[in-house]
Amino acid sequence: QVQLVESGGGVVQPGKSLRLSCAASGFAFGAYGVHWVRQAPGKGLEWVALVSHDGSNKYYSDSVKGRFSISRDNSKNMVYLQMRSLRPEDTAVFHCARDVGTATTGQGYGMDVWGQGTTVTVSS
Amino acid sequence: QMTQSPSSLSASVGDRVTFTCRASQYISTFLHWYQQRPGKAPRLLIYAASSLQSGVPSRFSGSGSGTDFTLTISSLQPEDSATYYCQQSFSTPFTFGPGTKVDV
Repeated sequence: QVQLVESGGGVVQPGKSLRLSCAASGFAFGAYGVHWVRQAPGKGLEWVALVSHDGSNKYYSDSVKGRFSISRDNSKNMVYLQMRSLRPEDTAVFHCARDVGTATTGQGYGMDVWGQGTTVTVSS
Repeated sequence: QMTQSPSSLSASVGDRVTFTCRASQYISTFLHWYQQRPGKAPRLLIYAASSLQSGVPSRFSGSGSGTDFTLTISSLQPEDSATYYCQQSFSTPFTFGPGTKVDV
């Protein structure tokens, strides 16, 4: 079945790094853009980053630009989120989500497949 | 910036409810609605302002363009208890509204 499964979350100290992974299956992975969206405890959804279907275009929220890096490996059906200089305010559940389109234009068409999320806790 | 109203509402089974979402600038129809039940991942309900996502019950509908959008549930069901978010994807950074919590 069509699914996304995140991994790599955990507890990390402020200023450290962490890499999240998103494994896709059940669909033509290379045809779709993929987002990362996070949700802090008790808060709403926050869009984090987007990578286009072929990895050539990447977009970030202002809150993570310069600290986080999104990438993908279409040969492995994987998307990654490299997070550096982590802050306590980065504590959240991180979801990867498939865009309905390719995301090559910097516009999205809705996120129709979501993973269950992986939890990142930034604390000393 | 996306705003949503109301922030919460309580309604009865069978009621017709409407939520609104407003963008601070023009976003055409790059507006999508999601439902999130507690402890679950969000679920796409409506994409491109008014297109019903496959598998979503027809009691959900969306309308609007430009800056003002609405989501309507024509006959509220118990399983519709959730938080509803709008999201714009016209330009990055994409943004979600703060959500409307619905109690049935």
